[in-house]
Amino acid sequence: GESVGLHLPTLSVQEGDNSIINCAYSNSASDYFIWYKQESGKGPQFIIDIRSNMDKRQGQRVTVLLNKTVKHLSLQIAATQPGDSAVYFCAESRYNQGGKLIFGQGTELSVKP
Amino acid sequence: DAEITQSPRHKITETGRQVTLACHQTWNHNNMFWYRQDLGHGLRLIHYSYGVHDTNKGEVSDGYSVSRSNTEDLPLTLESAASSQTSVYFCASSESLDRGYNEQFFGPGTRLTVL
Repeated sequence: GESVGLHLPTLSVQEGDNSIINCAYSNSASDYFIWYKQESGKGPQFIIDIRSNMDKRQGQRVTVLLNKTVKHLSLQIAATQPGDSAVYFCAESRYNQGGKLIFGQGTELSVKP
Repeated sequence: DAEITQSPRHKITETGRQVTLACHQTWNHNNMFWYRQDLGHGLRLIHYSYGVHDTNKGEVSDGYSVSRSNTEDLPLTLESAASSQTSVYFCASSESLDRGYNEQFFGPGTRLTVL
């Protein structure tokens, strides 16, 4: 498929458990942080974003936490389902950079039934 | 429904040939982006455009060019394909309410192999 499947950090969870995917970023000037999901053979799909002036944002079954002190971002998926199996990317953007995204390398999530 | 499409989905070419990858979006977005995705590198920005006749170089633009003659299309051209350009290429688009971040919508990708 089109997703990056090798040489990535991997996370394996049991169906129904909660998943936590982590991302470290380097640029303290970033204004937005975004999580994308990429299923095999498909393009990245937006999950959720968070402004840099927030610590937490919740969506449907997903929560993003931002810790600016240690430059760390996490995506929590509640009650993980087989359909959540994918590669997850964090990305950052700066307001004065015209919407350009800088992507991390991704984490492959595998959900065991 | 509005969408973003890429063609071809798969392409095999030879070193030195010119190759053009198509990207077409029907959202009427002003912003369009081209990325490449390689093992161990995530997605890297090649070129981007904020509107008709506007093009800008991204992080890995050497060997690539784009042109924007209308809102819907941003074709990516490899002037003389090299084996190092074997990759999966993604096109994306976003609104331009301002020059800040807006959600990017991605196409399905084109897998290019240069022999």
